[in-house]
Amino acid sequence: DAGVIQSPRHEVTEMGQEVTLRCKPISGHNSLFWYRQTMMRGLELLIYFNNNVPIDDSGMPEDRFSAKMPNASFSTLKIQPSEPRDSAVYFCASTHSLNTEAFFGQGTRLTVV
Amino acid sequence: AQSVAQPEDQVNVAEGNPLTVKCTYSVSGNPYLFWYVQYPNRGLQFLLKYITGDNLVKGSYGFEAEFNKSQTSFHLKKPSALVSDSALYFCAVRDLYNFNKFYFGSGTKLNVKP
Repeated sequence: DAGVIQSPRHEVTEMGQEVTLRCKPISGHNSLFWYRQTMMRGLELLIYFNNNVPIDDSGMPEDRFSAKMPNASFSTLKIQPSEPRDSAVYFCASTHSLNTEAFFGQGTRLTVV
Repeated sequence: AQSVAQPEDQVNVAEGNPLTVKCTYSVSGNPYLFWYVQYPNRGLQFLLKYITGDNLVKGSYGFEAEFNKSQTSFHLKKPSALVSDSALYFCAVRDLYNFNKFYFGSGTKLNVKP
């Protein structure tokens, strides 16, 4: 398996633009997490899906952020409109059972100018 | 609330010396604990986990961790550090009572000097 695949790896966009980050979890995994990493806040959990259903989105910072998981093999995190303070590395992770670790993608480095 | 604390932002150690990266946790019930490593511009990589059983857990790259229930700690250790071990290390706990979410510590930067 190729692991968790995220795209793009890097994204530079102008303030106010819409940004969509993509994630393909490991095949067979039924839980998916979106995290954001910054120097100031460390690693923050944004949203968690189980069996394609959003279970907990309490970490989503604002209404500008939204996430979907239309099927077991794909998820998106959208920011609209983007702001400079959204600049961070966004990670997607997946897992499949109670006692296994989460597997992380390589991340998307987002820069909003 | 579940939480993980990594009290040291940075740990410096000389190559060949033993290293310890500290982690304490707070959970309801039995903890599921994990260590991850992050190299620059990379995602987090799994090192080892404690679910149940032997308190000393062995993982990748010669790392091990000791689960101590009375001290609620799960310190990461390695008998002999390598320069290539220099990276950011995260401790995590899985919250079985809150949708199985993972909570991560703030991370500890390990610097191994030649």
